[in-house]
Amino acid sequence: DGGITQSPKYLFRKEGQNVTLSCEQNLNHDAMYWYRQDPGQGLRLIYYSQIVNDFQKGDIAEGYSVSREKKESFPLTVTSAQKNPTAFYLCASSPGLVVSETQYFGPGTRLLVL
Amino acid sequence: AQSVAQPEDQVNVAEGNPLTVKCTYSVSGNPYLFWYVQYPNRGLQFLLKYITGDNLVKGSYGFEAEFNKSQTSFHLKKPSALVSDSALYFCAVRDISSFGAGSYQLTFGKGTKLSVIP
Repeated sequence: DGGITQSPKYLFRKEGQNVTLSCEQNLNHDAMYWYRQDPGQGLRLIYYSQIVNDFQKGDIAEGYSVSREKKESFPLTVTSAQKNPTAFYLCASSPGLVVSETQYFGPGTRLLVL
Repeated sequence: AQSVAQPEDQVNVAEGNPLTVKCTYSVSGNPYLFWYVQYPNRGLQFLLKYITGDNLVKGSYGFEAEFNKSQTSFHLKKPSALVSDSALYFCAVRDISSFGAGSYQLTFGKGTKLSVIP
């Protein structure tokens, strides 16, 4: 899992509640990503950020929000608008914007709905 | 648009036998291809990638993959399977031409569960 940390490992959300998942990296990477993993569906991109104070929507951004105020941090908020939030959430980073670069992943956060 | 198919949800192999996990892709331009492994409740670990050059790519833990442009495939292989290789394997692709248009997306397959039987 390298230099990417995600917290908490497990998170419980109540109906109508917003929750925030933390992602921090000490790899000095410019680009960061959030993916959602559901059984049998692989990984789907939620948001990504190329540089500080900039981010782009992925395939399934509805019901989620992000910020990138610091290079090393890319928190993901799961809002009450996300009606099916139960999933395994993975944060990743890559050195920059070169097309051949590898993305490196954190250990993940499992979000469950109470 | 870019896509990846992993045609087998599960692959079973006896310990010591060779293993193959299949991956085919579809891109409009040239592909960059990646393999990752995931152990239960863990993040993805990078195994290897094909960028250019030799079609046979060697990676971590004795794994290798062969890029076949005519068959649009990038199958993962290992000569002798270990029980510890049992995990979920993901193939991923990035279309070089879409990158130039500003898309940095890496598209993943749905994963193949590998079980190595002692």
